[in-house]
Amino acid sequence: DADVTQTPRNRITKTGKRIMLECSQTKGHDRMYWYRQDPGLGLRLIYYSFDVKDINKGEISDGYSVSRQAQAKFSLSLESAIPNQTALYFCATSDSGLPSEQYFGPGTRLTVT
Amino acid sequence: GENVEQHPSTLSVQEGDSAVIKCTYSDSASNYFPWYKQELGKGPQLIIDIRSNVGEKKDQRIAVTLNKTAKHFSLHITETQPEDSAVYFCAASKGNNNAGNMLTFGGGTRLMVKP
Repeated sequence: DADVTQTPRNRITKTGKRIMLECSQTKGHDRMYWYRQDPGLGLRLIYYSFDVKDINKGEISDGYSVSRQAQAKFSLSLESAIPNQTALYFCATSDSGLPSEQYFGPGTRLTVT
Repeated sequence: GENVEQHPSTLSVQEGDSAVIKCTYSDSASNYFPWYKQELGKGPQLIIDIRSNVGEKKDQRIAVTLNKTAKHFSLHITETQPEDSAVYFCAASKGNNNAGNMLTFGGGTRLMVKP
């Protein structure tokens, strides 16, 4: 079984709808991250969490919110989706060593029409 | 904040040839430089990394070099094989404080190895 799973893998939604992307990990890591990938722009950090009680904004947090339900679960919400949020979204985890490898999930392809 | 630029955006090579991908960074405090490989339909996966106290690191067919003075680092793949075809991302981080695992990624390079 995969160490980092994301659901759904693909989603098409309409402008203005609320949508939640979920991430679960079995690696026992404290740190979790949400990234957005757009062509030519690499991966940009949306939010990150160093433990269940710690949530931090990343480079591009506007229009997004997150919830860390447990050590193993970190969800990303779009309260009112807009077309320019169409992108590939990745969840990642790492342990607390500095620096440490980030382990990525398979991604969620989100399309907002 | 940190800015990482990556070139080229696409690279096509013949099987067996070498491939080189280059990145520059802006923040002289960055000291950790990983490279990730993303295969089609999958998330990125770490393939090699280098810290600022080292100028070069090798792992079989891949190597990374770092020039701290010029603030650039490069990925070298020798004897390329079709399975090397993927998107490669460089990244930079200040890996020595509480927020130090934050990665700033380059824009990615799509490598195509032609059989």
